[in-house]
Amino acid sequence: GAGVSQTPSNKVTEKGKYVELRCDPISGHTALYWYRQSLGQGPEFLIYFQGTGAADDSGLPNDRFFAVRPEGSVSTLKIQRTERGDSAVYLCASSLIPSGGGARGQETQYFGPGTRLLVL
Amino acid sequence: AQSVTQLGSHVSVSEGALVLLRCNYSSSVPPYLFWYVQYPNQGLQLLLKYTSAATLVKGINGFEAEFKKSETSFHLTKPSAHMSDAAEYFCAVSDRRGKLQFGAGTQVVVTP
Repeated sequence: GAGVSQTPSNKVTEKGKYVELRCDPISGHTALYWYRQSLGQGPEFLIYFQGTGAADDSGLPNDRFFAVRPEGSVSTLKIQRTERGDSAVYLCASSLIPSGGGARGQETQYFGPGTRLLVL
Repeated sequence: AQSVTQLGSHVSVSEGALVLLRCNYSSSVPPYLFWYVQYPNQGLQLLLKYTSAATLVKGINGFEAEFKKSETSFHLTKPSAHMSDAAEYFCAVSDRRGKLQFGAGTQVVVTP
């Protein structure tokens, strides 16, 4: 079956420009996560969606970053006034929500291949 | 707050030798623990996870990990390294809400 897909795979932009990164989760996965992976580091959490709403956006570094998931499937991460420090690989992951009140934390997150963003 | 420490950013192992990747965690609540592998230019792939069932967890590609609460460790092992095991490995901890906290990663090089 299809996994998580992300577009574009690579994005080069100039400092100050606006970019949008897209994530298509696995069909039927209600939970969607965005992470950012800088060179030589592990992924860092940005934001989590349950359905259409952002349940936890505590990882967004500042108000230049925003994400939406209007229909509960595809999500877009938006970065305004990009800075060179925003250069990184942006990863998207999706997972099921456990039934019966089980903890989300035990569910496997399935990752996409990432979007490599370079801000010049 | 939760955190993960991976000891050794780079590990070199001979083909056929034991692979041992170390991970220690910090968590104020019973953790969920994961090992992911990342091949060049690919996304993260789950190797195995611990979710409070058996403490010895078996994963894909011959990997396994043992949860040791007393040592707050979740080390990853494979008895015999293969050239295809060359990749970056990440240990991660999650709380009940699902937010993953990753370690810095360990790059594994396999030599013939």
